[in-house]
Order: sequence, then structure tokens, then C-alpha cells
Amino acid sequence: RKEVEQDPGPFNVPEGATVAFNCTYSNSASQSFFWYRQDCRKEPKLLMSVYSSGNEDGRFTAQLNRASQYISLLIRDSKLSDSATYLCVWYSGGGADGLTFGKGTHLIIQP
Amino acid sequence: EADIYQTPRYLVIGTGKKITLECSQTMGHDKMYWYQQDPGMELHLIHYSYGVNSTEKGDLSSESTVSRIRTEHFPLTLESARPSHTSQYLCASSEYQIEGKAFFGQGTRLTVV
Repeated sequence: RKEVEQDPGPFNVPEGATVAFNCTYSNSASQSFFWYRQDCRKEPKLLMSVYSSGNEDGRFTAQLNRASQYISLLIRDSKLSDSATYLCVWYSGGGADGLTFGKGTHLIIQP
Repeated sequence: EADIYQTPRYLVIGTGKKITLECSQTMGHDKMYWYQQDPGMELHLIHYSYGVNSTEKGDLSSESTVSRIRTEHFPLTLESARPSHTSQYLCASSEYQIEGKAFFGQGTRLTVV
């Protein structure tokens, strides 16, 4: 079983809609979680960290559910510029390996 | 914007050639990484470094090697390129205490013919 699983999509969503997607993880030792965004043929960029209490950054809300081992990302009032692949990422800490990336969820915002 | 740079951005090279992909960062980050990503697929860690003179292999086996002689520089070398090495190579760095927050270079898209 892969350590991080995401629905690859694509999710086709009309502009202005709210969209949410989840990511499940299998390693209960995972300490930190992040959402990265990757535009087509570009490098990944950190979108936001994910905290157990939930955190919000403008139109974006991230949530962590340790009991069910998933994290979520919700985008409100979606814009055309939100079209990208969203990567679920976890880090186990301890200074060992790098980050573990999911395959990503492809989001297409349609006018 | 992140201050991490990769050169070249694109490289097409013949089988058997030796190549070095360059990666430099000016943020003073201790940790640096090399990831490999095929189109539509996830990133796989192939090498990482804690700091100068530290290099480790990642979870994806790779025939490449790396060196870390200076904090800011983390080059990746393929002694003899093969078509199976065709991929995108992404370099990243992070502060030691904030390891989950990585900054990526723009990548090198390598094609071996």
C-alpha cells in the first residue's frame, strides 16, 4: 500500500464553486503534513501547512484528521488560476529522509 | 521567491555521456534534496544531504551520485547516461528545523537519446 494516496482526478469544477479533496496516509508516525501546488511542467511550491486544529489561508482551508489518517484541502470561490495539481505531502521528522509526496490531485477550474 | 537555481533547464544528450546537473541555493539551507519526477507521476527522493560532506541515498534507487562540498551547491552526476534516465530532476532545500517546508528549483528536464 502506498504511504500517501490521493484521487488523481481530474476534478473539473466551474469557476466560483467550492471544491474539496482528501489524502489518506498510512504511516501513523507521520508528524507533519503539507499541501503543495504544482503547475503544469513547473516545480512544486508550498501552499500551506496542515494543523490538527485546522487552518485557513484566504480561500484555502486545510484539515488534519489523525484518527482517520487523512488530510483535506478545501478551496472556496475557486478561480481559474487555481487550476493545478495539488500534492499531499508528509514528513516523519527525525531529520532522516526528505518529504513523501502523493501523486497529486489534478484540478481544472472551468470558466 | 525561492533562491534556488538549477542548470541546465533542458538537456538532450546521447547515451553513454557523463552529465552533471547543477543546483545552487543562496538561502543558507542545510538540507538539500534531489527528486526525480516522470510526467504525471509522483516525486521520488533519490538523494539528500544534511550539510557539507553529508550525502545519503533516497528511497528510489538511482545510478546517479551527488556531492556536497559547499553548503550552497549540490550537484548530481550521471557517469554514463542511458535512455532510462530520461526524466525531470528537481532540486530542493530546506532549513534544518523546518524540514517540511522545502523550496524547489525549476528543474532540469533530461532526455537521453
